[in-house]
Amino acid sequence: KQEVTQIPAALSVPEGENLVLNCSFTDSAIYNLQWFRQDPGKGLTSLLLIQSSQREQTSGRLNASLDKSSGRSTLYIAASQPGDSATYLCAVEKTSYDKVIFGPGTSLSVIP
Amino acid sequence: EAQVTQNPRYLITVTGKKLTVTCSQNMNHEYMSWYRQDPGLGLRQIYYSMNVEVTDKGDVPEGYKVSRKEKRNFPLILESPSPNQTSLYFCASTTRQGPNYGYTFGSGTRLTVV
Repeated sequence: KQEVTQIPAALSVPEGENLVLNCSFTDSAIYNLQWFRQDPGKGLTSLLLIQSSQREQTSGRLNASLDKSSGRSTLYIAASQPGDSATYLCAVEKTSYDKVIFGPGTSLSVIP
Repeated sequence: EAQVTQNPRYLITVTGKKLTVTCSQNMNHEYMSWYRQDPGLGLRQIYYSMNVEVTDKGDVPEGYKVSRKEKRNFPLILESPSPNQTSLYFCASTTRQGPNYGYTFGSGTRLTVV
């Protein structure tokens, strides 16, 4: 059974720092991996999607990488801002039309 | 505005009283899904639908039903709610097309079963 974990569970950094969030999954046979952010009391917002054939995706200050063989993905946030404060979740899909399994999330706080 | 609309936002009900949480999207997305979010357990998928009349179970389907009679609507039905179904529920939709398709989530429905 696919399990997804995220480290750290919580992270507090001063504004301007570059940071890395980690996501691990137990079954490397995935179709894709996604990163989302969730603001308190709100729904999720899609950030980046990496197909299984890709190594990374970039959007603005965000860069997500995928290493299927080791079952790991990282989300790199450059020059963090207070507006980046949120919970970041990763999620994997095993096949093109299959269940989506979420990690527990990393709660990020960027201090001005 | 492209959006997923869930109703109601908040609901308190009693054990055993059937209820429906509605979900509607205006983006002509084929794929829709329901999730519940619980402290310590995270976000878990309940059901998903690949298109009209095509649905499948997620990780935690017990106690729930869904239907997809129209492309835009994907209601979640609790035939006999129990207190362990108290949770925050999210509906989402996506095209599942293109290299970087994203999901659009609704604002959530906070359900309390007493």
